[in-house]
Amino acid sequence: QLQLQESGPGLVKPSETLSLTCTVSGGSVSSSSYYWSWIRQPPGKGLEWIGGIYYTGSTYYNPPLKSRVTISVDTSKNQFSLKVNSVTAADTAVYYCARGSGWYWYFDFWGRGTLVTVPS
Amino acid sequence: QTVVTQEPSFSVSPGGTVTLTCGLSSGSVSTTFYPSWYQQTPGQAPRTLIYYTNTRSSGVPDRFSGSILGNKAALTITGAQADDEADYYCVLYMGNDLWVFGGGTKLTVL
Repeated sequence: QLQLQESGPGLVKPSETLSLTCTVSGGSVSSSSYYWSWIRQPPGKGLEWIGGIYYTGSTYYNPPLKSRVTISVDTSKNQFSLKVNSVTAADTAVYYCARGSGWYWYFDFWGRGTLVTVPS
Repeated sequence: QTVVTQEPSFSVSPGGTVTLTCGLSSGSVSTTFYPSWYQQTPGQAPRTLIYYTNTRSSGVPDRFSGSILGNKAALTITGAQADDEADYYCVLYMGNDLWVFGGGTKLTVL
């Protein structure tokens, strides 16, 4: 069974860079036809797709966040990562990593999520 | 930017049937948007219910079904149970490697 686990600092200062890693077990980030995504949820609000990386290494981002976000993959560690720079309190959220199916364009496996707080 | 619309809230009686919808601020939802549905209970990660409009994810009870109704995607719960009380999100694939979540529907079972 595929499992995803987010890790990283729970507190990031304003204007600094948020960095999270998703460790994949029970499967490979190099598997064809899958993409590896980040999704976030501010407290009490809905889900927002941040972006993702395809097994080929191609990246794609939600346009409103594109200028501040970088997603990368480390196949040797079976991990993928998220960086959001110049954070503000509006970036406070639970951050989820998820696997996407390239056949039917949906998210089939999710991590448990990790809360990142940016104080105002 | 395209907005995916969902009812903010809905209520259903135990044993009843409810249909939640997922629309677009401009245009119609069709199967080409590969609509998918997710259930989220407080403090938990989303759970995948439906993908490719009407395919149930592994382990999802058959009281959950997906469809296209008119110009929207729809999630129908038949014979609602207390533990169906949750937030429900739809996601549409907009093409060009872009996914958009709806704002979610808070379903109350009472």
